[in-house]
Amino acid sequence: DTGVSQDPRHKITKRGQNVTFRCDPISEHNRLYWYRQTLGQGPEFLTYFQNEAQLEKSRLLSDRFSAERPKGSFSTLEIQRTEQGDSAMYLCASSPRSNEQFFGPGTRLTVL
Amino acid sequence: GQNIDQPTEMTATEGAIVQINCTYQTSGFNGLFWYQQHAGEAPTFLSYNVLDGLEEKGRFSSFLSRSKGYSYLLLKELQMKDSASYLCAREGAGNMLTFGGGTRLMVKP
Repeated sequence: DTGVSQDPRHKITKRGQNVTFRCDPISEHNRLYWYRQTLGQGPEFLTYFQNEAQLEKSRLLSDRFSAERPKGSFSTLEIQRTEQGDSAMYLCASSPRSNEQFFGPGTRLTVL
Repeated sequence: GQNIDQPTEMTATEGAIVQINCTYQTSGFNGLFWYQQHAGEAPTFLSYNVLDGLEEKGRFSSFLSRSKGYSYLLLKELQMKDSASYLCAREGAGNMLTFGGGTRLMVKP
């Protein structure tokens, strides 16, 4: 499978715990995006990388959220001290120099 | 989604035609995407419009009017498998997408 992959697909955690998600983009796609989606809503932009540089962060991304893309390939999104309001689907997308974004299957986070 | 408006739900009959409208803020606009999303799955690309006019791709067509901040997605010969959410997304700087809330389409026999 040469599409965008995300791991894990599902994560259940207790409030206050830290979680980390991984995204592997399509090979050679230099742009990588993280979105959050809650039930019945469209995806909301969180952050964007071009190669290893994080170029944009949404106001939605509180200090508890951090994202990295150390070698310009895979990316990680960490949420510290999780809250129940963090429960959502976290989507990763990658893009070549053209415009279309290819989405991964997402990681569904449930915070108890 | 910020400044992206589309109907929340629509219902149509198998074999019919349905048009899903989307209005958006025109400032800083680069292009307009439509994505399809089945429940529990990732969004999949349907169309991308940059210039005014109609882009046809099989049973699906997408229209854009840049001056009016308006787009629509037209689905013809509806099939049951077309039941899904349809997401309108406005492309801004850095290819960042701002999504609407999605239109949940229910196709009935």
